[in-house]
Amino acid sequence: DAKTTQPTSMDCAEGRAANLPCNHSTISGNEYVYWYRQIHSQGPQYIIHGLKNNETNEMASLIITEDRKSSTLILPHATLRDTAVYYCIVRVSGAGSYQLTFGKGTKLSVIP
Amino acid sequence: NAGVTQTPKFQVLKTGQSMTLQCAQDMNHEYMSWYRQDPGMGLRLIHYSVGAGITDQGEVPNGYNVSRSTTEDFPLRLLSAAPSQTSVYFCASSYFYEQFFGPGTRLTVL
Repeated sequence: DAKTTQPTSMDCAEGRAANLPCNHSTISGNEYVYWYRQIHSQGPQYIIHGLKNNETNEMASLIITEDRKSSTLILPHATLRDTAVYYCIVRVSGAGSYQLTFGKGTKLSVIP
Repeated sequence: NAGVTQTPKFQVLKTGQSMTLQCAQDMNHEYMSWYRQDPGMGLRLIHYSVGAGITDQGEVPNGYNVSRSTTEDFPLRLLSAAPSQTSVYFCASSYFYEQFFGPGTRLTVL
């Protein structure tokens, strides 16, 4: 699996957009970018995933660069409940997506 | 739907004891996995299953056994607990691209 690099921690003011970067320069053509988050002590929660096109759902937007070597997760209006550790994971989709490799992620603190 | 449930929530064992962590899901998912999370770390895959009767090892399988007799249940057995197995254990079930995680079992081995 391609290795990902994320900042250790970030702060974001409540109500502002939170932009979480992820580098995955060794990503293969059939590998997707997944984002999960883990709110304190809870099980991780799926946020979004994409291959090469930008994706948006009710939780977030995912922007993947044209060369696919990096991506950004955007929480458009961060709230205190978005304080969590965010994991960027690269993996094939479908049958392989249950074998996820979690790094240390980015600890996002949303500040009032 | 209850989703993914895990029992117990907390457990303290003595070195050498054995126990089974229970995991159940009611979403009829074929894929299920067990992860452990040590303090300040991400999750590491212990074992996984692609369906009833089929299991395989993940990244850190030593000291753990699994079986999958039904689609719903995927228990994790600690054969002889060691302090190094002190961790939080998460079970997950998966449908295609999304994994659904349980609330976790916090295990301490003295």
